[in-house]
Amino acid sequence: DQQVKQNSPSLSVQEGRISILNCDYTNSMFDYFLWYKKYPAEGPTFLISISSIKDKNEDGRFTVFLNKSAKHLSLHIVPSQPGDSAVYFCAARFLGGYNKLIFGAGTRLAVHP
Amino acid sequence: NAGVMQNPRHLVRRRGQEARLRCSPVKGHSHVYWYRQLPEEGLKFMVYLQKENIIDESGMPKERFSAEFPKEGPSILRIQQVVRGDSAAYFCASSLQGNQETQYFGPGTRLLVL
Repeated sequence: DQQVKQNSPSLSVQEGRISILNCDYTNSMFDYFLWYKKYPAEGPTFLISISSIKDKNEDGRFTVFLNKSAKHLSLHIVPSQPGDSAVYFCAARFLGGYNKLIFGAGTRLAVHP
Repeated sequence: NAGVMQNPRHLVRRRGQEARLRCSPVKGHSHVYWYRQLPEEGLKFMVYLQKENIIDESGMPKERFSAEFPKEGPSILRIQQVVRGDSAAYFCASSLQGNQETQYFGPGTRLLVL
């Protein structure tokens, strides 16, 4: 039962353009969403998060949008840089759920010059 | 400040042996989480511990797997009688407090069972 879904396994973007990574969820009890970035042979690195009471959160080049009615969130990276090439994981947390994170399968982003 | 440390980074075991994975959280963090990542999949929650207590083990297989986080020393994830299906990357994360706290991940231990 996959409660957090990242339906695009990979995405290729030109340097300087916008990268949009998508994530869908099925459980309306999720109250907090996070994006992590992962390089090969390393652990996930926290990128940005959003509470379910908000619809947008911005941090530098990274913006996360949340559409609760559609159970959909997206991560926008503008402008994309070659160093952004990595696997991006969407994760969600239950209200009152002991901080357990439910991860999507990830999207591999390749930013080419 | 040192981040989350895990050792060993790579571990090779034969079927039937025991695997011990260690995790030292960020200094001052008392909450530890273990996740497992199979190839081409996302991370799957296994267990959440505070010092000397298991808080949530809903993701732990019922047999052969155990975890502890003693008062002193690192957290240990122990897998007894390993099978090939245990081959995966095991990640530890820590947070300063429980709910509403960002988890910081270690580099992982890659377990290969021959």
